[in-house]
Amino acid sequence: KQEVTQIPAALSVPEGENLVLNCSFTDSAIYNLQWFRQDPGKGLTSLLLIQSSQREQTSGRLNASLDKSSGRSTLYIAASQPGDSATYLCALKLDSNYQLIWGAGTKLIIKP
Amino acid sequence: IAGITQAPTSQILAAGRRMTLRCTQDMRHNAMYWYRQDLGLGLRLIHYSNTAGTTGKGEVPDGYSVSRANTDDFPLTLASAVPSQTSVYFCANPRDPKGNEQFFGPGTRLTVL
Repeated sequence: KQEVTQIPAALSVPEGENLVLNCSFTDSAIYNLQWFRQDPGKGLTSLLLIQSSQREQTSGRLNASLDKSSGRSTLYIAASQPGDSATYLCALKLDSNYQLIWGAGTKLIIKP
Repeated sequence: IAGITQAPTSQILAAGRRMTLRCTQDMRHNAMYWYRQDLGLGLRLIHYSNTAGTTGKGEVPDGYSVSRANTDDFPLTLASAVPSQTSVYFCANPRDPKGNEQFFGPGTRLTVL
């Protein structure tokens, strides 16, 4: 059974630092993987989507990588800002018709 | 374009009462999903619908029912609410026809006492 793990559950760093959020999965046979952002009391916003055939995707200060062989994806945030404070979730699909399998998220706090 | 709207925003409900959470989309996407989000557990799929007229069970369907009479609406019903159904409920649908990227509604915070 595919399991998705995000460690740590919470992370606090000073503003301006580059940081990496981790997402691990147990089965390398995935269709794609997504990173989402969730602000307190809000819904989820899709940040980046990586297809199984891709190694990374970039959007602004965000870069997501995918290494299926090691069962790992990372979300790199450059030059962190207080506005980046949120919970970041990763989720993957096993195939094109399958629903998402979710990690529990990492709560990120960027200190001014 | 609103995308996905959910109602109510929040609700406090007595145990044993019936409750329907509403979800409406204006994107005309075929698939729609209902998730619940609980602290430390992430999101869990309750029910889904791949197209109007069809529904399916997700990971945690017990105590919930859905209907998909048309493309735009996907209501979630709790027939007899229990305290363990206290959660935040999200409706979602894929941005594209292949279901690659899911778009979420703002959520409904439900408390069952």
